[in-house]
Amino acid sequence: EAGVTQSPTHLIKTRGQQATLRCSPISGHTSVYWYQQALGLGLQFLLWYDEGEERNRGNFPPRFSGRQFPNYSSELNVNALELEDSALYLCASSPTGTGSTGELFFGEGSRLTVL
Amino acid sequence: DAKTTQPTSMDCAEGRAANLPCNHSTISGNEYVYWYRQIHSQGPQYIIHGLKNNETNEMASLIITEDRKSSTLILPHATLRDTAVYYCIVRGNTGGFKTIFGAGTRLFVKA
Repeated sequence: EAGVTQSPTHLIKTRGQQATLRCSPISGHTSVYWYQQALGLGLQFLLWYDEGEERNRGNFPPRFSGRQFPNYSSELNVNALELEDSALYLCASSPTGTGSTGELFFGEGSRLTVL
Repeated sequence: DAKTTQPTSMDCAEGRAANLPCNHSTISGNEYVYWYRQIHSQGPQYIIHGLKNNETNEMASLIITEDRKSSTLILPHATLRDTAVYYCIVRGNTGGFKTIFGAGTRLFVKA
């Protein structure tokens, strides 16, 4: 069974540009979570999508946005990139509904570098 | 927002048990305790979770105090590959909830 896949693995952008990161959850999982991890720091919760809807977002400005598609894959968009957006962006998926054990399954991340 | 408290770092000798504590004094009745670990620059990996009973799987054991205000993750025979940041998290188990990670405990396993 394929795990959570993220693309691209690495992305280099310049200040002011836009970045788009993609995530494919494990088959059957309907929830997708996005986290930002700056170098040497912990995971900061960004966004949670379930069944195509944004369910919750962390303390990030509106230029961080995303969406979840009908096949439950997800996209994270970061507009007007700033130097401090350089980080590892992690996607996780989780099944929902009764019987779910609630654990998150993470991808290996997309490393965004803003120059 | 994190509702758990963990030591910043710990050392453990290879082959010995690693006992990682976590305080979650504000845990509510329907919240589970989850443990994850993150090996350098990789995505976090789920280890184990529990509600009130002690749990064991192939990776670790989880001991939860009777009042549920604290727990301990036990790696019975730590290896060098267990060197990682270990995160203790509390969250509900019904449907999806945003999962907030704290700073975790950096475990160094030494030969």
